[in-house]
Amino acid sequence: DAMVIQNPRYQVTQFGKPVTLSCSQTLNHNVMYWYQQKSSQAPKLLFHYYDKDFNNEADTPDNFQSRRPNTSFCFLDIRSPGLGDAAMYLCATSSSSSPYNEQFFGPGTRLTVL
Amino acid sequence: AQSVTQLDSHVSVSEGTPVLLRCNYSSSYSPSLFWYVQHPNKGLQLLLKYTSAATLVKGINGFEAEFKKSETSFHLTKPSAHMSDAAEYFCVVLLRGTGGFKTIFGAGTRLFVKA
Repeated sequence: DAMVIQNPRYQVTQFGKPVTLSCSQTLNHNVMYWYQQKSSQAPKLLFHYYDKDFNNEADTPDNFQSRRPNTSFCFLDIRSPGLGDAAMYLCATSSSSSPYNEQFFGPGTRLTVL
Repeated sequence: AQSVTQLDSHVSVSEGTPVLLRCNYSSSYSPSLFWYVQHPNKGLQLLLKYTSAATLVKGINGFEAEFKKSETSFHLTKPSAHMSDAAEYFCVVLLRGTGGFKTIFGAGTRLFVKA
C-alpha cells in the first residue's frame, strides 16, 4: 500500500544534542510537509517542500532545518533541541496535481528531550 | 481574515447515539474542506473532503459532513457512535490564493464515547 513512513516512531535526545527525524513516501507526491504537534493542540506547520523548493513558515525557529534529497525522502533536523521542542512531529504529503490537494499523514515521531 | 473554528473542544456521547462535531470557516475564497481524525499517538487520517461536487459528503467509518455556504459551516455527523470513534477530530480548510495553497487547522474536538 502506498504510504507515508516516519522513522523512528519514538526518539529520545538530550538537551542541545542534534537530532534528525526521517520521512519517506511511496505516493510519489511532489509536496512534503513537516508539522509540530504539542499535546492537545492542532498541528503547526513548520515548513514544506514544493518539489525542490523549500518554503519556511515565518515563525519557524532557525533551530529547525529540513532536507529533501529526492522525491521520496524528507528529513527534519533539530540543531539544538530544547525542552520546548518535545512534541509529536508529523510528516505529510500531497500532490499539487490533485484538485483538492488533500494531505496524507505519516504516523508521527514522538520526540522526548531530556 | 481566513480561519477555522471548531465550536466544541470536547464532545461526549454515549455509544449508539448520534455524533455532531461543529466547524465554521471564514474565507474570502471558495475553500476545500476536510475532516481528519487522530487516535492517540497516531498520525492524522482523512475522514472526508468537500470537493464542491455535492454538499453532503460521505466519508469513512459512517461519518458524513454537510457543506452549508450560507452558514459557512461544515459540521461532521455520525448516526451512531462506536467506542472506536473516541479520538481527536480536526476540521481543516485549504485555501487557494495568489500565493499558492494555505492549510488552516481548527483547534480540534476531542470526542469521548461512553459505554
